[in-house]
Amino acid sequence: AQSVTQLGSHVSVSEGALVLLRCNYSSSVPPYLFWYVQYPNQGLQLLLKYTTGATLVKGINGFEAEFKKSETSFHLTKPSAHMSDAAEYFCAVWDTDKLIFGTGTRLQVFP
Amino acid sequence: EPEVTQTPSHQVTQMGQEVILRCVPISNHLYFYWYRQILGQKVEFLVSFYNNEISEKSEIFDDQFSVERPDGSNFTLKIRSTKLEDSAMYFCASRTTGISYNSPLHFGNGTRLTVT
Repeated sequence: AQSVTQLGSHVSVSEGALVLLRCNYSSSVPPYLFWYVQYPNQGLQLLLKYTTGATLVKGINGFEAEFKKSETSFHLTKPSAHMSDAAEYFCAVWDTDKLIFGTGTRLQVFP
Repeated sequence: EPEVTQTPSHQVTQMGQEVILRCVPISNHLYFYWYRQILGQKVEFLVSFYNNEISEKSEIFDDQFSVERPDGSNFTLKIRSTKLEDSAMYFCASRTTGISYNSPLHFGNGTRLTVT
């Protein structure tokens, strides 16, 4: 079965600073990877996905992620954090016909 | 933009009672899912449903759980006899047809179930 590991359950950054949320995958076949965001009291919203093609994937709200096969990673980045980015972020991998989620990383943004 | 809607947003029930969580998926979607998230823990897959049948279920989805699509719009999750450990946020999701990994899951806002 496929899985993803998110390092760091909490990440804190200052407004304007770089955001880096880490995700590593465990897969013996090419994985299909996703990042979702969960704002307080809301459902999960798709940020971006990697299926095939370009390894640098751009998503909504200025986020992007790079698929690195050599490192089995799919880290999420944003050059400049905004207060509105404070949320929980989930990395996920497609397995058969369902998404398998990581444990999530809560992003705090300080003014 | 079309949304997955879930009702109620919060349900409180006593241990041993039956509870039904309701979802209205996006209208042209054909694949339906239930996930749950125990407070502070990861989002866990429960079950997937297609063509009026369960496609796949996890170990969590035991005989106490059932799903149904009673009409053309609703998708329900029933817990027959709730336990304290069933307290969680339950998310419904749906997707359209096509290559599975290219048709992302759309999630509802969840139903928070509290079992007392």
